[in-house]
Amino acid sequence: EIVLTQSPGTLSLSPGERATLSCRASQSVTSNYLAWYQQKPGQAPRLLIYDTSRRATGIPERFSGSGSGTDFALTISGLEPEDFALYYCQQYGSSLRTFGQGTKVEIK
Amino acid sequence: EVQLLESGGGLVQPGRSLRLSCAASGFTFNNYGLSWVRQAPGRGLEWVSALSGSGATTYYADSVKGRFTISRDNSKNTLFLQMNSLRAEDTAVYYCTKDYHWNGLYHSDHWGQGTLVTVSS
Repeated sequence: EIVLTQSPGTLSLSPGERATLSCRASQSVTSNYLAWYQQKPGQAPRLLIYDTSRRATGIPERFSGSGSGTDFALTISGLEPEDFALYYCQQYGSSLRTFGQGTKVEIK
Repeated sequence: EVQLLESGGGLVQPGRSLRLSCAASGFTFNNYGLSWVRQAPGRGLEWVSALSGSGATTYYADSVKGRFTISRDNSKNTLFLQMNSLRAEDTAVYYCTKDYHWNGLYHSDHWGQGTLVTVSS
């Protein structure tokens, strides 16, 4: 099983600032099959990024993904009020998909 | 518009069984894999199980293998999760998700709103 470790656990930033979230895998993720999801309180997760860097339908350009192998990142270039939420990475390069434990982006 | 509506959650005693359903609409059902993902109260996401568009190939997390069975009825656009020998640690909101691809090995591009399963005596 591939273990994903997200850091930091909590990111305290102000609106307009840039957020960089990290996701590190315990072994190389096949074909860089890595996705990012956003979850707000009381809501289901929403797909943001898939295949490491492809934005899902309707996702603003301020969200971008990067990385390869074992190190991946989600960048939000200029936080909007609606971006303060929980973010999870997920690998699907293995038949046993796994999620990271999440990073909370909170208002400073 | 893709819609996924879960049902069947509730309070169940340890060791008993429960069957979740997910009614889907807004896409060609048998062209896509489907998955279940759960979230224990106040915790992160845990992938549970997935199956291919035909239902012939299934995948399970180690934590549920041998106890849970995923299946689908393509004539009724419905996904199921049969949960047996339930444990307290199975308590969670269970989300039905549509996969990006047919084979059941991709990410989830649409999610239902979830159904809560509580395992307690």
